[in-house]
Amino acid sequence: GNSVTQMEGPVTLSEEAFLTINCTYTATGYPSLFWYVQYPGEGLQLLLKATKADDKGSNKGFEATYRKETTSFHLEKGSVQVSDSAVYFCALNYGGATNKLIFGTGTLLAVQP
Amino acid sequence: ETGVTQTPRHLVMGMTNKKSLKCEQHLGHNAMYWYKQSAKKPLELMFVYSLEERVENNSVPSRFSPECPNSSHLFLHLHTLQPEDSALYLCASSQDGGQDNSPLHFGNGTRLTVT
Repeated sequence: GNSVTQMEGPVTLSEEAFLTINCTYTATGYPSLFWYVQYPGEGLQLLLKATKADDKGSNKGFEATYRKETTSFHLEKGSVQVSDSAVYFCALNYGGATNKLIFGTGTLLAVQP
Repeated sequence: ETGVTQTPRHLVMGMTNKKSLKCEQHLGHNAMYWYKQSAKKPLELMFVYSLEERVENNSVPSRFSPECPNSSHLFLHLHTLQPEDSALYLCASSQDGGQDNSPLHFGNGTRLTVT
C-alpha cells in the first residue's frame, strides 16, 4: 500500500547549520509529494510540494527534490534559524479528485541559538 | 482572521459525556477533512467531505460522528469516548477537483483529553 517513512527526531541543530530530514515513500503510480510544517500550537501549513519526478519544490530557503529512482523527497536547508524550530511532515497524495494525503510521523526540529 | 477556525481549542471530557468539535472555513473551498494527530503516529485521516457528501471514512469507530451541513462548516460529534481517543483533532479544507487539487489548509486543532 501507500506509505511515507520519515527519519525519527528530534533533530537538534545550532543556528546556521545545514539541515537534512529524510523522507522515503511507497506508492503505486506517481503521487504528488509534500512537506508540511507545524509550528508550536498551530495546525499544519504547506511548506513546499513537487508533482512529478525530478521536480524541485522550494520555499523559505527549504528545498526538496522528487527522486523517483530512490523514492525519496528529502528536505534540506542550507542555514537554519531558531524560527525554523517546528515539526516537519512529509506527505504524499495518491491522487483522484479528492485530496487523500498520507502523512509521515513528523520530525521535530529544534534549532538552538 | 485565519482561513480555518476550530473551536474549542481545548476540551476535557469524561467517557460518558457527549460533546462536539466545530470547524469553519472562510476560503470558499469545497472539501473539508478531519484528521487525528497522536504522538509518534502519522496523522490519521478520519473523514472527508467533498461538495458536502461524505466520500471516505477510514474505519473510524462509531463513537465519532461527523456532520457537514454546508461547505463552510464541519462538526465532529463525540460520545462515549475512550482515553486512547485523547489527541489533537485537526480540521482542514481544500479546493478539490480538476487536474491539480489545492493544498490542504489546516486549523489550529482541538486538544482533546478524555478522562
